[in-house]
Amino acid sequence: ETGVTQTPRHLVMGMTNKKSLKCEQHLGHNAMYWYKQSAKKPLELMFVYSLEERVENNSVPSRFSPECPNSSHLFLHLHTLQPEDSALYLCASSQDLNTYEQYFGPGTRLTVT
Amino acid sequence: AQSVTQLDSHVSVSEGTPVLLRCNYSSSYSPSLFWYVQHPNKGLQLLLKYTSAATLVKGINGFEAEFKKSETSFHLTKPSAHMSDAAEYFCVVGAGTALIFGKGTTLSVSS
Repeated sequence: ETGVTQTPRHLVMGMTNKKSLKCEQHLGHNAMYWYKQSAKKPLELMFVYSLEERVENNSVPSRFSPECPNSSHLFLHLHTLQPEDSALYLCASSQDLNTYEQYFGPGTRLTVT
Repeated sequence: AQSVTQLDSHVSVSEGTPVLLRCNYSSSYSPSLFWYVQHPNKGLQLLLKYTSAATLVKGINGFEAEFKKSETSFHLTKPSAHMSDAAEYFCVVGAGTALIFGKGTTLSVSS
């Protein structure tokens, strides 16, 4: 595997479910990001991690809980989501926080029913 | 604060004709600017980047963009469109630890 991978690619969950999204980067980068892409809206930055420490949390509801166990892996734990949380969730990585060039995964298409 | 405005939500061209996707930026200092492309059901791919070196930036797949400070613009061009160029294009500015994305321009290419 090369680049940034995300699993699952598609996820349908009910509002009472708990699920997790996984991201893995094979680029040796030190910074990782979660974005939300909704229809007709610009990409929204959700979380930023650098060397496994969270450095930014853009007013994201607590029903989204990130985890970064090491510099290659990033998770987004989901619980009691709302239908408006349905979106494409994109993971990205960069060499470090000073490098704007980010590499994106293919995303997880989440549908909340 | 940094921001970008993509002036067209949708651009349609015929195969073999030039492509112009327009982007204006707002920045209080010399910006880092990018164009990303997103094909259907795919993640975003970096097309090109401007980081205060040459004002004319060449990217992948024949795309290029020109940084014009006097016009605060960073328009994306390609001399001849190909069917495979049909995608969503995002103009992006670097801001602190984050990237600020425009709303995107959908490029349609007809044969």
